[in-house]
Amino acid sequence: QSVLTQPPSVSAAPGQKVTISCSGSSSNIGNSYVYWYQQLPGTAPKLLIYDNNKRPSGIPDRFSGSKSGTSATLAITGLQTGDEADYYCATWDSSLSVGEFGGGTKLTVL
Amino acid sequence: QVTLRESGPALVKPTQTLTLTCTFSGFSLSSSGMCVTWIRQPPGKALEWLARIDWDDDKYYSTSLKTRLTISKDTSKNQVVLTMTNMDPVDTATYYCARIRRTVDGSQLSLPFDFWGQGTLVTVSS
Repeated sequence: QSVLTQPPSVSAAPGQKVTISCSGSSSNIGNSYVYWYQQLPGTAPKLLIYDNNKRPSGIPDRFSGSKSGTSATLAITGLQTGDEADYYCATWDSSLSVGEFGGGTKLTVL
Repeated sequence: QVTLRESGPALVKPTQTLTLTCTFSGFSLSSSGMCVTWIRQPPGKALEWLARIDWDDDKYYSTSLKTRLTISKDTSKNQVVLTMTNMDPVDTATYYCARIRRTVDGSQLSLPFDFWGQGTLVTVSS
């Protein structure tokens, strides 16, 4: 059972917008940055969003992150079939010594 | 450029000890702020964080697995080693290592897994 709660799946049509939620507590998200990772089928995860809402170089601005209190949200606009992947939120516990992942959300672009 | 590669046995027997090596390039684990972490993923399941070692040799472990895990580094070889004792079939997973570039933003510590290895599948079976 993951410490962070994500919906198991979300879906939307190409070109549409989708959001993925990540719920935690004051002992993790509430006191630490949130990160989002994209895992395309059969590949290693890739950093998508860091420090709640920052994008690494090369990540398109269709991907955005936000955090409020003990929850975080990943938004993807202008959905493409290539966005079909598993998305994981992550953070650190309040002591910044234990990493924590969400259970992952499978995105289907219909 | 930064690269990481995991290596180790593909098959281990129950009760055995697993030793995995992460060999990296493009950064030095002796540089301030650099860390390496291990994450695993059972087939079809979610990611699970395992351990982290920092440039100053500070070490951190998963609460549920800390009695079985040991992480160490060989800075001269650009390697990080993870050992996991008493392996069980439920430990069957793809094991990833990743780099963390620790930074401080105001009062907040940033610890993103910014580069990942390709992963290595370890099967536990007799």
